Amino acid sequence: AQKVTQAQTEISVVEKEDVTLDCVYETRDTTYYLFWYKQPPSGELVFLIRRNSFDEQNEISGRYSWNFQKSTSSFNFTITASQVVDSAVYFCALSEVDYGNNRLAFGKGNQVVVIP
Amino acid sequence: DAGVTQSPTHLIKTRGQHVTLRCSPISGHKSVSWYQQVLGQGPQFIFQYYEKEERGRGNFPDRFSARQFPNYSSELNVNALLLGDSALYLCASSALGVDSSYEQYFGPGTRLTVT
Repeated sequence: AQKVTQAQTEISVVEKEDVTLDCVYETRDTTYYLFWYKQPPSGELVFLIRRNSFDEQNEISGRYSWNFQKSTSSFNFTITASQVVDSAVYFCALSEVDYGNNRLAFGKGNQVVVIP
Repeated sequence: DAGVTQSPTHLIKTRGQHVTLRCSPISGHKSVSWYQQVLGQGPQFIFQYYEKEERGRGNFPDRFSARQFPNYSSELNVNALLLGDSALYLCASSALGVDSSYEQYFGPGTRLTVT
């Protein structure tokens, strides 16, 4: 069974500080996808990034970066130089590859509060 | 292009009633998934449909049912509503194929309150 754990519940940072969100996952599959989604107060989940299990290269996309370590089953996410608009709940999610079914298993989320 | 649309936005029902929630996927997407998000928790998978066939079902009672229409829109039905069914119901669409087709794009949700 797939499981995603996000340990921190609420994280407060001052604007322009970096914030890192931790995500640990469990899966028996060797091929899977990992995601980060953002949920602002409006409620709509916004897709941010996706990583394949067979590609551990870490990347930067604008102010977002991620650190995928298969050996420790972790997929951490960093927002650099945070802004007030980054205040939201961030969810880590896992999808096991199965053609015809790409259900997502979500963590409980991290509430990020950016203080101006 | 329009994103995923859901209706209604908000709904208030009484215990024991029935509710139908509707979702239209992004144009060209053939898969629709439904998730339930209780306050303070992450979304929980309910159903996935692809080409009008059920492709996955989460751990929800038989009071929950869904279907997908030829135009790929979908309905989620919940019978005999309980107070615990109060939640944000999210619909997501995806192309469901290989590589980049695996992102799911979410609609704004329907907030259901059961009193």
